[in-house]
Amino acid sequence: GAGVSQSPSNKVTEKGKDVELRCDPISGHTALYWYRQSLGQGLEFLIYFQGNSAPDKSGLPSDRFSAERTGGSVSTLTIQRTQQEDSAVYLCASSLRTGGYNEQFFGPGTRLTVL
Amino acid sequence: GENVEQHPSTLSVQEGDSAVIKCTYSDSASNYFPWYKQELGKGPQLIIDIRSNVGEKKDQRIAVTLNKTAKHFSLHITETQPEDSAVYFCAAGGPSGGSYIPTFGRGTSLIVHP
Repeated sequence: GAGVSQSPSNKVTEKGKDVELRCDPISGHTALYWYRQSLGQGLEFLIYFQGNSAPDKSGLPSDRFSAERTGGSVSTLTIQRTQQEDSAVYLCASSLRTGGYNEQFFGPGTRLTVL
Repeated sequence: GENVEQHPSTLSVQEGDSAVIKCTYSDSASNYFPWYKQELGKGPQLIIDIRSNVGEKKDQRIAVTLNKTAKHFSLHITETQPEDSAVYFCAAGGPSGGSYIPTFGRGTSLIVHP
């Protein structure tokens, strides 16, 4: 079946604009993660959804960042009033959470450039 | 929280040589250590993982070792090939409040010269 998909693949925006990034996880995967990857950096955790539980938002860098997951499937990461330091690749991953660790399957990412 | 250090940041080898990437972690409660390979323009992909109840795991040309006492783990790639060129990430994690969110290292860019 299809893997994790993300859209758009590239997004160029102007400083101060809002952006929405979309993630379609693998069907049946109950866990969904968002990460940010800046140039030369590792994967910075942003937010985690698991089933119907309240999301773990501990990684969101500021209140300009928010995410939602509708119907336990598609997720949208929203960045309001974008800043140049928000420029990065945003990666989404999903996993089959049946207890304990499960492999994370990553999407190809959305490259965000804030001018 | 967990802190993962990864070295080296860049590794250049000749085809056929071995490559070793090392990571250390800080949280003794961590019990899961995956390694991911990220090719240009793609998302990371799991290549091997190890859990805290074993010290070594091997899969063809790749192997991972874990030393829980010293809190470090390593990725070994033997007989490297040009297609092994990629960025490799280690990660460490353990259950925290019921969630499983691994902490990643900063990555190692492996270049295999033909």
